[in-house]
Amino acid sequence: AQSVTQPDIHITVSEGASLELRCNYSYGATPYLFWYVQSPGQGLQLLLKYFSGDTLVQGIKGFEAEFKRSQSSFNLRKPSVHWSDAAEYFCAVGDSWGKLQFGAGTQVVVTP
Amino acid sequence: NAGVTQTPKFQVLKTGQSMTLQCAQDMNHEYMSWYRQDPGMGLRLIHYSVGAGITDQGEVPNGYNVSRSTTEDFPLRLLSAAPSQTSVYFCASSDVSGANVLTFGAGSRLTVL
Repeated sequence: AQSVTQPDIHITVSEGASLELRCNYSYGATPYLFWYVQSPGQGLQLLLKYFSGDTLVQGIKGFEAEFKRSQSSFNLRKPSVHWSDAAEYFCAVGDSWGKLQFGAGTQVVVTP
Repeated sequence: NAGVTQTPKFQVLKTGQSMTLQCAQDMNHEYMSWYRQDPGMGLRLIHYSVGAGITDQGEVPNGYNVSRSTTEDFPLRLLSAAPSQTSVYFCASSDVSGANVLTFGAGSRLTVL
């Protein structure tokens, strides 16, 4: 069965500091991997995706993620966070149709 | 270009009442799905459809029905609402011939008393 684990429920980071959000997955086939962001009261917006090829993928808003097959991980990073990055972040794994399994999410708080 | 439109945005029901959450997309996407979001549990798949006339169950289908009579519409029906169905519901669609990326609606917040 497929599953996604986001070990950190809540992360607090200072504005300008780096951010890394962890994601581990279990999937029987080659995974399609995604990171979504949700601002309060909003729907989900795609940050980036990995299907194949280069294991370091770039997304919107200065985010990047690295796929590590040996570790079954797809961690999200940003070198310098902005106050507007405060949101909830979801990692997801799925198939070619878009049928996704989501992690429980990581809430990011940005302090001045 | 409206994308994925969900109605209503907010709804309060009494236990045992029925209702339909509407979802419409104007992108000619084959794949449509419904998720529910609960605190600490992320999004869980309720039902999905890979095309008109084809639906299947997701992770948490009990208490919900769906149908897909057209490519554009994918309504979610609660036949007899229960307090456990209090949640935020998201409809999403994707073009499986393209990037397979889900486009989400803005969500519908349902409270069952």
